[in-house]
Amino acid sequence: DADVTQTPRNRITKTGKRIMLECSQTKGHDRMYWYRQDPGLGLRLIYYSFDVKDINKGEISDGYSVSRQAQAKFSLSLESAIPNQTALYFCATSRGWNSPLHFGNGTRLTVT
Amino acid sequence: ELKVEQNPLFLSMQEGKNYTIYCNYSTTSDRLYWYRQDPGKSLESLFVLLSNGAVKQEGRLMASLDTKARLSTLHITAAVHDLSATYFCAVKEETSGSRLTFGEGTQLTVNP
Repeated sequence: DADVTQTPRNRITKTGKRIMLECSQTKGHDRMYWYRQDPGLGLRLIYYSFDVKDINKGEISDGYSVSRQAQAKFSLSLESAIPNQTALYFCATSRGWNSPLHFGNGTRLTVT
Repeated sequence: ELKVEQNPLFLSMQEGKNYTIYCNYSTTSDRLYWYRQDPGKSLESLFVLLSNGAVKQEGRLMASLDTKARLSTLHITAAVHDLSATYFCAVKEETSGSRLTFGEGTQLTVNP
């Protein structure tokens, strides 16, 4: 089983719909992140959380919100999806300050 | 704002050849990470470089960090087809907490 699990793996939705992407981890890491990947742009940070009571905006948080329901769960919501939110979304975790990120398998989201 | 630039963005090389991927960044940092992404897959951590002059090697890949030049290199020795992937560098700005800024990625194709 994957250490960082994202659901769903693929999602097609219509403009204006609310959707939620979910992430759960069994690594026991406190730090969790949501990234978005677009071709030619690398990965950009949407939100991150250092523990259950800590939520921080990343560089592209507009149009997104998150919820850290437990140490192991971090969900990303699009309140009203728009086509330019079509992208590959990754959840990641890390153990500490210098530790590398451990990524989930990604959710491919298409907004029509 | 931290900017991270990789070059080349696309690299096609023959098996057995050597090549270097460059990662330049714009502000002070002493933490740099390299990741690999296979097509349609997640990102996998390759190297963590935490100080000036750090050098890490794994198989045919060697990464180094020069914080004074704000430059990291990923050197490929005697390339094999299995190294075909997209390689990302990511830099942690000193004042940004746990935020990583990713380069655009270098898509490497190793031809037989």
